[in-house]
Amino acid sequence: AQKITQTQPGMFVQEKEAVTLDCTYDTSDPSYGLFWYKQPSSGEMIFLIYQGSYDQQNATEGRYSLNFQKARKSANLVISASQLGDSAMYFCAMRERNTDKLIFGTGTRLQVFP
Amino acid sequence: GAVVSQHPSRVICKSGTSVKIECRSLDFQATTMFWYRQFPKKSLMLMATSNEGSKATYEQGVEKDKFLINHASLTLSTLTVTSAHPEDSSFYICSAAEDLYSNQPQHFGDGTRLSIL
Repeated sequence: AQKITQTQPGMFVQEKEAVTLDCTYDTSDPSYGLFWYKQPSSGEMIFLIYQGSYDQQNATEGRYSLNFQKARKSANLVISASQLGDSAMYFCAMRERNTDKLIFGTGTRLQVFP
Repeated sequence: GAVVSQHPSRVICKSGTSVKIECRSLDFQATTMFWYRQFPKKSLMLMATSNEGSKATYEQGVEKDKFLINHASLTLSTLTVTSAHPEDSSFYICSAAEDLYSNQPQHFGDGTRLSIL
């Protein structure tokens, strides 16, 4: 069964606008962590934001925020005030408490246009 | 912050060659490191979990004799692609975390692009 689902293979957004990248997950473990990574064309994986399953508040890191809806098992990434440099692949990932593995979704390619 | 160094960044070699890729945690000790493989325009696929001082744990479908992993110290894990063939060409990337059971993210190396001719 797919653990992490990203249904948007590609997204376009105009510079300075906000964009939401979707991520849903499936787990029976009550303790887990959700991560978002950015991968530019050069290939490195850049950590953006983390949300713990027991966190009461939605995580925020600068222009990145996570819309965490636990009952719906979704953890969407919101990028505000998009910049041209935000163009990249974005991966949602989950780490369950009972395993140390980080499982990735299929990714969303974001393109920011002027 | 925590940094993971991966070397080499790119390898081009002939079919039949064995290729070693190193992954180092630069400012923290990592008893566990992870090796991923990524095909073009695809997601990261976990290949194996590298455990310091013990055998690696391979994911289903990954040939342990093809992809040898050694984690001889708390800061170094190596992946050796043995007798590489063109189908082994891919982007390989390692990761490590200071604390697997916290909100600390896994930090990734910059990856190795392997091209087998």
